[in-house]
Amino acid sequence: DGGITQSPKYLFRKEGQNVTLSCEQNLNHDAMYWYRQDPGQGLRLIYYSQIVNDFQKGDIAEGYSVSREKKESFPLTVTSAQKNPTAFYLCASSIFRNTEAFFGQGTRLTVV
Amino acid sequence: GEDVEQSLFLSVREGDSSVINCTYTDSSSTYLYWYKQEPGAGLQLLTYIFSNMDMKQDQRLTVLLNKKDKHLSLRIADTQTGDSAIYFCAESIGTGGFKTIFGAGTRLFVKA
Repeated sequence: DGGITQSPKYLFRKEGQNVTLSCEQNLNHDAMYWYRQDPGQGLRLIYYSQIVNDFQKGDIAEGYSVSREKKESFPLTVTSAQKNPTAFYLCASSIFRNTEAFFGQGTRLTVV
Repeated sequence: GEDVEQSLFLSVREGDSSVINCTYTDSSSTYLYWYKQEPGAGLQLLTYIFSNMDMKQDQRLTVLLNKKDKHLSLRIADTQTGDSAIYFCAESIGTGGFKTIFGAGTRLFVKA
């Protein structure tokens, strides 16, 4: 079955640690995105990538980093520079930019 | 600036119709979307409408677009308890760089 998979579903991080969230898609989509969701707020774009080896900052990129070495994979690293990382993180992909997005099931990150 | 606004809560009785409203600010929208999010899950595209359309119907879902007032609505006929979820309105801005703006989501409660 085609789809987009995020792992892990739940992640706990100690303060000062970097953590990496996985996102893999087998939909052959060119574009991939990372969003952050906080209660009562819309999704905010962290990073996006339109093709392999290229990515762009979104609205809230500070404290995050990404890579796009393969079309199928777009991992997100939450660094220690991100001061308020506890949130629900959603990965998405689409055929082209601005078209219908398919979302993963999300990763809930909690800082302990 | 670009913004999408929705009311945060809606409560209806099972069998009634639900109407979720959304307003947006950017007149260069190309597509407008409705996504559904169930607890602890990613977003699922319900339907979308191209900006030159006024209405789109898909089974129990009816989308109305008033481009003059920048108002989008989603009507769910014969609402069921399984429709309880958060519904996100989103607009894709097609001019210039990539941008999809999400509203904060409307939480729909369906009472049996």
